[in-house]
Amino acid sequence: EDQVTQSPEALRLQEGESSSLNCSYTVSGLRGLFWYRQDPGKGPEFLFTLYSAGEEKEKERLKATLTKKESFLHITAPKPEDSATYLCAAFSGNTGKLIFGQGTTLQVKP
Amino acid sequence: GAVVSQHPSWVICKSGTSVKIECRSLDFQATTMFWYRQFPKQSLMLMATSNEGSKATYEQGVEKDKFLINHASLTLSTLTVTSAHPEDSSFYICSARDWGATGTGDPQSSYEQYFGPGTRLTVT
Repeated sequence: EDQVTQSPEALRLQEGESSSLNCSYTVSGLRGLFWYRQDPGKGPEFLFTLYSAGEEKEKERLKATLTKKESFLHITAPKPEDSATYLCAAFSGNTGKLIFGQGTTLQVKP
Repeated sequence: GAVVSQHPSWVICKSGTSVKIECRSLDFQATTMFWYRQFPKQSLMLMATSNEGSKATYEQGVEKDKFLINHASLTLSTLTVTSAHPEDSSFYICSARDWGATGTGDPQSSYEQYFGPGTRLTVT
C-alpha cells in the first residue's frame, strides 16, 4: 500500500537553530516527491519537486534532498516567518494520485 | 505563474441547501483538477479527480451524488455540495495540473500540482 510518513509531527526551534524534517515513503511507480508549505487557513504552497535519488533543490533557507526511501527538508538558520506546516507528498504513477504525509508543524521562536 | 484561485474563500449555509465552489487555473490550462478535503490539524484527503470534459472519478467513501463535480473547461472546475449538513463543514481545497507542461518535453513537470487557497464551508 502506498504510504507517506512524516516526522516529527511538531518541531519547535529557536530562531537560527537549524534542523531537518523527514519524509519516508513507500509508493508504487514514484513520479515525483513534493514539498509544500501550508499556513493556517490557506492552501498548500508549492516549494519543491524532486524526481530522482540524489537530487537536491534549494530555496532561501530551505533545502530538499531525496533518497530511494526518504526525503529531507533542511531548514538553515530559520526565522519566525518560517513557522508553518510542511507537507510532503509523493505522486504515484500507478494510481495517478498524490499521496500526502500528515505534515510537520514547525514553530520558530524569536 | 501556476496560480489557482477558489471562490468563495468562505461560505456559511443552512442545512439542506446546496453550495457551489469554483476552482480556476488563472495562467495555465489544467486537464486534470483535484478536490481535497481537510479537517483541522489533519492532512489533505483526496475526494475526487476531474478531467476536462469527462466524469469525475471519486475516491472510495465519497458520495458522488452529494459532491457534484463539473470540469467544463480547461480552466474551471466546480464542486457542488448538495443538501449540505453540518458534518459537511470543512476546508475544501482544489488543485490543478498544468496541461501545458506535458508538451514541454519535460514530462516530469506535468506531475506538479498547484493548489488553490481553499474554501471554508460552515453548515449551520
